[in-house]
Amino acid sequence: EAGVAQSPRYKIIEKRQSVAFWCNPISGHATLYWYQQILGQGPKLLIQFQNNGVVDDSQLPKDRFSAERLKGVDSTLKIQPAKLEDSAVYLCASSLGGVDTQYFGPGTRLTVL
Amino acid sequence: GDSVTQMEGPVTLSEEAFLTINCTYTATGYPSLFWYVQYPGEGLQLLLKATKADDKGSNKGFEATYRKETTSFHLEKGSVQVSDSAVYFCALSPKGGGADGLTFGKGTHLIIQP
Repeated sequence: EAGVAQSPRYKIIEKRQSVAFWCNPISGHATLYWYQQILGQGPKLLIQFQNNGVVDDSQLPKDRFSAERLKGVDSTLKIQPAKLEDSAVYLCASSLGGVDTQYFGPGTRLTVL
Repeated sequence: GDSVTQMEGPVTLSEEAFLTINCTYTATGYPSLFWYVQYPGEGLQLLLKATKADDKGSNKGFEATYRKETTSFHLEKGSVQVSDSAVYFCALSPKGGGADGLTFGKGTHLIIQP
């Protein structure tokens, strides 16, 4: 069974530029999550989708971050414009929903200079 | 709000030593509790979980018991191996079941020396 796929794996940008990350969840998983992991900290939930609807985006900085899951499968997370403090690993996870385990992708490491 | 506190690392042990990584939580209601592990160069993987008080999760020789009275979920292993070297994260799911976004601790880096 293929795992959660993410791309790119690494990205370096200048502050005030924009960047987008892509996630393809495990086939059949209805629930998709984006987390931000700053160095030395645990992952923090940014947004949760159930199919193509948003369940929780309370910790998403909506002035600069946006995310979509238009067809209820893959998802894109965008930052525009980026700030230095956005440097982090962005993790995507998926689950069947209900009590199922969340499966994490390898992450995208973003460096903002 | 909900939070998870785990012991600071790095924790350095010799092979075959006994391991305990402490984890305590603050949450309303009845959360589910998890331990995730991140091996070098790999993504986060679920190690074990417990969904209600007094449940014991176990996997790969690791164990943790959900203690509601002390709001704790300490990770233990009787005899660690070099291959256990990794970062360990304690996490909770606020409404139980794991369907919600997880709240993680900061992680504990475990180093096992031969």
